[in-house]
Amino acid sequence: AQSVTQPDIHITVSEGASLELRCNYSYGATPYLFWYVQSPGQGLQLLLKYFSGDTLVQGIKGFEAEFKRSQSSFNLRKPSVHWSDAAEYFCAVGARIETSYDKVIFGPGTSLSVIP
Amino acid sequence: ETGVTQTPRHLVMGMTNKKSLKCEQHLGHNAMYWYKQSAKKPLELMFVYNFKEQTENNSVPSRFSPECPNSSHLFLHLHTLQPEDSALYLCASSQGEGRHLSGNTIYFGEGSWLTVV
Repeated sequence: AQSVTQPDIHITVSEGASLELRCNYSYGATPYLFWYVQSPGQGLQLLLKYFSGDTLVQGIKGFEAEFKRSQSSFNLRKPSVHWSDAAEYFCAVGARIETSYDKVIFGPGTSLSVIP
Repeated sequence: ETGVTQTPRHLVMGMTNKKSLKCEQHLGHNAMYWYKQSAKKPLELMFVYNFKEQTENNSVPSRFSPECPNSSHLFLHLHTLQPEDSALYLCASSQGEGRHLSGNTIYFGEGSWLTVV
């Protein structure tokens, strides 16, 4: 069964600094990979997703993520963080199962704080 | 406007009350979900409906009763809840391909904050 880990529970960065949030997954085949963001008191919103093709994926709000098959990783990056990026970030993985129902699995989340 | 609307946004209920959470999606999707999000805990998938059929029940206590009358509406009926059930309940939808929901973006509502007193 597929699983997702986000090693960092909480990260604090200064405004203007670069950001990298880690995500590792466990699955034998090439998975579908997602990053979602949740602002305080809100639902989750898709930042970007990877299905196939170019392993560097661009998303909204200046975020990008890189799929590295050899490391089973899909880390999220942003070159310069803004105070409004403070939120909870969720990595998610989906994998198609031909013989039964399949779905997207969410990681535990990483909370990002931004220092002015 | 997310395309998934949840009501009420906030609910306070006693342990002996019966209440319901409502979710409506305006995206034409065929799959709908209930998630529970508690403080300091990962997002928990509770129920999945695909074309109105319940395809997942993640060992959710019977005091939570889902209802999906059509592909656009999803309810979560609540009765005799416990204080530990206080959480943010998120409804979501996606456009699956038959039984395959793994490759599609999930669209979330803004959630219903539930407090059980």
